[in-house]
Amino acid sequence: DIQMTQSPSSLSASVGDRVTITCQASQDIRNFLNWYQQKPGEAPKLLIYHASTLETGVPARFRGSGSGTDFTFTITGLQPEDTATYYCQQYENVPLTFGPGTKVEIK
Amino acid sequence: QVQVVDSGGGLVKPGGSLRLSCAASGFTFSDYYMNWIRQTPGKGLEWISYITGSGSTIYYTDSVRGRFTISRDNAKNSVYLQMSNLRVEDTAVYYCARSSPAVWAFDYWGQGALVTVSA
Repeated sequence: DIQMTQSPSSLSASVGDRVTITCQASQDIRNFLNWYQQKPGEAPKLLIYHASTLETGVPARFRGSGSGTDFTFTITGLQPEDTATYYCQQYENVPLTFGPGTKVEIK
Repeated sequence: QVQVVDSGGGLVKPGGSLRLSCAASGFTFSDYYMNWIRQTPGKGLEWISYITGSGSTIYYTDSVRGRFTISRDNAKNSVYLQMSNLRVEDTAVYYCARSSPAVWAFDYWGQGALVTVSA
């Protein structure tokens, strides 16, 4: 199975800050990576697919990049409603696997 | 608009069975893969099964293979997860989620069904 790791596990930032989360795969997954946002009590929401393509309706302050084993998720201009846990997920191989998540809080 | 609604969660004893249902609307159901994903505080998000649009291909992760069965009824726009021989470690919120064959991203999710396995 492909293992996904994320760092940091949590972070606290101020409104307007730039926030960066990294995701690393245990083997080459090309661009087959998605990012999700999950708020407490809700299902995850797809933000970015194929490493860097923004899902329809998702604000442009969210950005994804990377390929191979190393990926980055960035929020440029953090907003209060961005408080959530963010997960990466690979789809290079089955079983599809998720990272452990990064909890983002507002200072 | 696209909607995916999970149902069927509950409390069950170890060794028992439970059937989850997922009703979809607002899209051509048979064009999409349907997936079951579960979430626990300890193990996070775990993708456990999928079924292709026609139902011709099915996959299970090792943790549920032989105990869980996924199926779909395209006439009813529904997908099901029959869970048998349940274990305490199957306790989780179970989500049904749609994905396209082109990009395996879960773009619509149900609200989640809580399954608790406890004596």
